[in-house]
Amino acid sequence: SAVISQKPSRDICQRGTSLTIQCQVDSQVTMMFWYRQQPGQSLTLIATANQGSEATYESGFVIDKFPISRPNLTFSTLTVSNMSPEDSSIYLCSGKDRADEQYFGPGTRLTVT
Amino acid sequence: GNSVTQMEGPVTLSEEAFLTINCTYTATGYPSLFWYVQYPGEGLQLLLKATKADDKGSNKGFEATYRKETTSFHLEKGSVQVSDSAVYFCALNQGAQKLVFGQGTRLTINP
Repeated sequence: SAVISQKPSRDICQRGTSLTIQCQVDSQVTMMFWYRQQPGQSLTLIATANQGSEATYESGFVIDKFPISRPNLTFSTLTVSNMSPEDSSIYLCSGKDRADEQYFGPGTRLTVT
Repeated sequence: GNSVTQMEGPVTLSEEAFLTINCTYTATGYPSLFWYVQYPGEGLQLLLKATKADDKGSNKGFEATYRKETTSFHLEKGSVQVSDSAVYFCALNQGAQKLVFGQGTRLTINP
């Protein structure tokens, strides 16, 4: 199974600033994803992080707001840009391995004030 | 499109009680089915999975059987413990398609 780490684990940010979240997988995964989990809610897929090319965004999410990079098979970043209090959420990185199992990082708990 | 519906929570049980969390799905073809668990303050952990009809996934005393005739994947445990308190998510995917989650069921076990 893949072990996924994220940093930071939590942050408190001011409105209008940006935060970059890093995700590292300990083994190669075929696909990497970014999810948002608002308080008490289920997970919503933001985008699929594609190695060496632009991420594939889900409806309601745009690159200008959530730029994503994936320079290699085991690392990805998500930036939450020009933050507002509505962006306060847990952001989770995920990787899918060749057995089609999907693993999740511990999440980054973001509070925007 | 594909979707997953879980029983609404929260669910509160006493220790050693029998647990069932219902999960039904809508999908074309034959999806893979999963249960994930999220302990307080943590990310999601894969609890068990089943990839074809009549498969039974099991882990840590939890079981779920892939029932195609009823499009269900109910989670069961014979005797719950306080440490099982968490949020449980049912999910499905088909091949390269994205993982689709249910809304989650919060389980609290009282000693």
